[in-house]
Amino acid sequence: QSVLTQPPSVSGAPGQRVTISCTGSSSNIGAGYDVHWYQQLPGTAPKFFIYGNSNRPSGVPDRFSGSKSGTSASLAITGLQADDEADYYCQSYDSSLSGWVFGGGTKLTVL
Amino acid sequence: EVQLVESGGGLVQPGGSLRLSCAASAFTFSGYWMSWVRQAPGKGLEWVANINQDGSEKYYVDSVKGRFTISRDNAKNSLYLQMNSLRAEDTAVYYCARGRNSGYYYDFYFDYWGQGTLVTVSS
Repeated sequence: QSVLTQPPSVSGAPGQRVTISCTGSSSNIGAGYDVHWYQQLPGTAPKFFIYGNSNRPSGVPDRFSGSKSGTSASLAITGLQADDEADYYCQSYDSSLSGWVFGGGTKLTVL
Repeated sequence: EVQLVESGGGLVQPGGSLRLSCAASAFTFSGYWMSWVRQAPGKGLEWVANINQDGSEKYYVDSVKGRFTISRDNAKNSLYLQMNSLRAEDTAVYYCARGRNSGYYYDFYFDYWGQGTLVTVSS
């Protein structure tokens, strides 16, 4: 059971907007630590997608955006495309555990 | 292009040992934190260990403290994970990853990942 809680799955039709939540607590996201997001396509290594809550590295489409508020963070994807289908993970630091933690992951299905 | 290539995985009996290696290229290895992250079959990601640029600072997830040791050889552009007293629950794909900071000291993320090496602990 991860200290960062993500929905196991989300889905949407092509062109739609979906959001993936990442809920933490006062010892991680709520303490002000940055949240980062990763995309893992089936059978491949994770790829970092959003860093520092809302920053996109070069090569990541602007259809993807990150935000953080209070003890939660979100990854929003607009204009959903078939190749967005993947697992998405949030990650932060937890001061109670004295270590870096990942959310349990969310499987995005494009209908 | 940054490359991280892991090796050393395999089948090992419970209680046994294994040493993973990660060969880095196309960046100044000695200038970056490095990490190991694992993923059990069909499960999510779990951070395992971090090491700073000169090896003087190391951090571990509680479940591996006292059993795993992260180390690096900057002359060889290589990262290592010595795993002792292995348990069935250590079975996972182990990824080598490069670390970056987004802000304060603990605002740490993994910007490049290797392809992973599978460790299976079973009798």
